[in-house]
Amino acid sequence: DAGVIQSPRHEVTEMGQEVTLRCKPISGHDYLFWYRQTMMRGLELLIYFNNNVPIDDSGMPEDRFSAKMPNASFSTLKIQPSEPRDSAVYFCASSMGLGNTGELFFGEGSRLTVL
Amino acid sequence: GENVEQHPSTLSVQEGDSAVIKCTYSDSASNYFPWYKQELGKGPQLIIDIRSNVGEKKDQRIAVTLNKTAKHFSLHITETQPEDSAVYFCAASGNNDMRFGAGTRLTVKP
Repeated sequence: DAGVIQSPRHEVTEMGQEVTLRCKPISGHDYLFWYRQTMMRGLELLIYFNNNVPIDDSGMPEDRFSAKMPNASFSTLKIQPSEPRDSAVYFCASSMGLGNTGELFFGEGSRLTVL
Repeated sequence: GENVEQHPSTLSVQEGDSAVIKCTYSDSASNYFPWYKQELGKGPQLIIDIRSNVGEKKDQRIAVTLNKTAKHFSLHITETQPEDSAVYFCAASGNNDMRFGAGTRLTVKP
C-alpha cells in the first residue's frame, strides 16, 4: 500500500477563498483523522471518522471548517472562507482501531498558507 | 480530558551521546503511550509504543519507560546518530482519542 495520500502538498491562497484538502486513507483502515499542526498549538485533532461516519468533530475550530467522507477511500477537509490564522500543516491519518488498538499512519501533510 | 506535557522543547546532543525526552499525562485512564518521529516535510511516524501493563520496552537503540503511579513516561535514545535528528512527539491514549505532547526538536551534531 502507498500509505495515506494527501493533496495538495502545498496550497497558497488569499483570504476569503475556499480551500479543499483531500485524503486517501490506507485501504482497510476503518478510522480516519484530520489533524492541524502549528508552532503555537502543536498537533490538534480536528475530527475523526469511523466507517465514513463523523464521530467527534469537537476539535473543528469554527463553522468555516467542514469535513466529509463520502466513501471508505476518500475524505475532504474544507475551509470556507479561509483566513490567515488557518495557515498550518494539515495532516490526515488512518488506523485500523482507535486509541490503543491501532497505530496511526500519517500522510505527508498539506501545508496551507493563507495570505 | 487528557493533557500531555513534554520536555524539553529542544535538545541538542553530540553524536554518540544519549538523549532523553520526558512526558507527563493527566488522565489515569490512559493506557497506551506511543512515540512518533517527524522528519522535515513528513508526517509523524510511530517508532515505539508502550502499554500500561509494561514498565519498559526496548527496540535496538530506543527504549521507553513508564511510571503509571507518577503518570510519566520517557523516551531514551542511545548512541545517537545524525539521522536521529527530528521532532519527537509523545502521546497518551485511553480507549478513545489520542493527545499529543508539544514535541521535542532533537538535533544530533556530528
